[in-house]
Amino acid sequence: SQTIHQWPATLVQPVGSPLSLECTVEGTSNPNLYWYRQAAGRGLQLLFYSVGIGQISSEVPQNLSASRPQDRQFILSSKKLLLSDSGFYLCAWSGTGGLNTEAFFGQGTRLTVV
Amino acid sequence: QKEVEQDPGPLSVPEGAIVSLNCTYSNSAFQYFMWYRQYSRKGPELLMYTYSSGNKEDGRFTAQVDKSSKYISLFIRDSQPSDSATYLCAMSADAGGTSYGKLTFGQGTILTVHP
Repeated sequence: SQTIHQWPATLVQPVGSPLSLECTVEGTSNPNLYWYRQAAGRGLQLLFYSVGIGQISSEVPQNLSASRPQDRQFILSSKKLLLSDSGFYLCAWSGTGGLNTEAFFGQGTRLTVV
Repeated sequence: QKEVEQDPGPLSVPEGAIVSLNCTYSNSAFQYFMWYRQYSRKGPELLMYTYSSGNKEDGRFTAQVDKSSKYISLFIRDSQPSDSATYLCAMSADAGGTSYGKLTFGQGTILTVHP
């Protein structure tokens, strides 16, 4: 069965510090991968998605970047965090190539920038 | 105007009640419609999805889509305390392989079902 792992679960970082959040998927190959952010009391906003290694599409301009160094690994990064980067970050995957499946979400990382 | 509008509630109902959750949208290109349930501090999980207009039933849950009115609904029958969660509507206009993942979400409705 497919599983998605996301870590860390909670993170408190000072303003101006770097960020690296990692997400890995097991049990499937060539998934579509997504990073979402959820602000307090808000719905999810799509930040990035990837349809293959090294292929990243950005949905909104921001202080963040994403990379996909391996087929089932998706990384969200920042060089210098802002207070406005605080939120709940969720990684998700969906199937491809005829196996078009629903999006499965990880358990999220709660980031607080102080 | 937001692309997807959802009443944030909170909504509090007694056990056994019928719950109605709704979203309106402005983008006529949306063609996939979904409802997610999210427990506190957890990732959302998919409850229902429908393509285009119509109804879909799964156990106690019924999803309705009215594309002419740009309006979708989720009905929960015989609500249980375990249904207490945030319910998010989500929509996709993408017709390709990312149609289930490139989603525009409503802000979520907080539901509490009390015994």
